Amino acid sequence: KAGVTQTPRYLIKTRGQQVTLSCSPISGHRSVSWYQQTPGQGLQFLFEYFSETQRNKGNFPGRFSGRQFSNSRSEMNVSTLELGDSALYLCASSQIAGDLNIQYFGAGTRLSVL
Amino acid sequence: EDQVTQSPEALRLQEGESSSLNCSYTVSGLRGLFWYRQDPGKGPEFLFTLYSAGEEKEKERLKATLTKKESFLHITAPKPEDSATYLCAVQSSGGSYIPTFGRGTSLIVHP
Repeated sequence: KAGVTQTPRYLIKTRGQQVTLSCSPISGHRSVSWYQQTPGQGLQFLFEYFSETQRNKGNFPGRFSGRQFSNSRSEMNVSTLELGDSALYLCASSQIAGDLNIQYFGAGTRLSVL
Repeated sequence: EDQVTQSPEALRLQEGESSSLNCSYTVSGLRGLFWYRQDPGKGPEFLFTLYSAGEEKEKERLKATLTKKESFLHITAPKPEDSATYLCAVQSSGGSYIPTFGRGTSLIVHP
């Protein structure tokens, strides 16, 4: 069974630009969550999508947005990039069986903002 | 609010030198506690889920245990390939399904 696939693996952008990251979950998984990981803050939850609906949202500004398609694939978008947005962005998919949320992560997208 | 604190932040061991990593948590009701391993530049890899106090899970040189307030990840006779960051996360019952992660313990095993 294929794992979680994130593309691209690396991105370099400049301040003010926008970026779109993509995530293909494990087949059969309907929940997709996005996280930002930095050395100083650790893993911080951005949002979660389930059946094309945003079900949970973390404490990030509106510049961070996402969506999920009918095939469960998800994208996240960051507009008006800031230097502080440089981070590893991780996508996790899960099946949520019996309300237990075991998340399986992709390799991440390393975003550098110059 | 759920909280997870991992200690130590960093740990250096010699090959074969056993040790333990700690994960202390505060949660209104525990649905599950998760351990992950993360190699540099990669996403976290799922290791274990623990559900109730007294439970233990093992995988190769790793053994995870759980009490009502903390979990330990015991590493027996580690090898250099065990070097990684180990993350702990908790999911509370009756909540949003979203786990709360600790900041991790960075383990380096020297040959």
